[in-house]
Amino acid sequence: EAGVTQFPSHSVIEKGQTVTLRCDPISGHDNLYWYRRVMGKEIKFLLHFVKESKQDESGMPNNRFLAERTGGTYSTLKVQPAELEDSGVYFCASSRREYGHNEQFFGPGTRLTVL
Amino acid sequence: AQKITQTQPGMFVQEKEAVTLDCTYDTSDQSYGLFWYKQPSSGEMIFLIYQGSYDEQNATEGRYSLNFQKARKSANLVISASQLGDSAMYFCAMREGKDNFNKFYFGSGTKLNVKP
Repeated sequence: EAGVTQFPSHSVIEKGQTVTLRCDPISGHDNLYWYRRVMGKEIKFLLHFVKESKQDESGMPNNRFLAERTGGTYSTLKVQPAELEDSGVYFCASSRREYGHNEQFFGPGTRLTVL
Repeated sequence: AQKITQTQPGMFVQEKEAVTLDCTYDTSDQSYGLFWYKQPSSGEMIFLIYQGSYDEQNATEGRYSLNFQKARKSANLVISASQLGDSAMYFCAMREGKDNFNKFYFGSGTKLNVKP
């Protein structure tokens, strides 16, 4: 079974540009999450999809961030326009909808650097 | 207030010795879950161990055990017989509420270095 994949692994952009991050969850996982870690700080929740619907977007920092999940499969996170403080590692995670402790499976992250 | 606190930014341990990574949490929910993840230098986050708030026994998974002290709100990870491959960043996380799809709160992590 393939794990959570994220693309690109690294992105370096100028302030004001647009960047789109992609996440492919594990097949069959209805839950998809985005998190972000700014250097040295804790990993912070951004939002949660259940299939194609946004279940919780309380962690989205501002309206420069737009997340979508087409057809309940892969998800994209677009930052437009990017600011310096958006630099960090963006993680995607997925999980099933089932009983039990239901851990989240994480991708390797996308390291975003805004210059 | 921080939901998860990891007070050790970095730790060293001698190979084959045991090490404890600290984690304290803050929640008013009665139902919650506690998780530990390992992040090697390659970047992926690997799930290690889970403890439910109603579990009376400490969770164990191989060389990993979770020292769960509910009254103190602590969930320390104990790694026994450390190996060089244990060198990594370790994150403690909490999921509040009874729904098992709720978001995670993470700490800032502890970087563990295992010395040969």
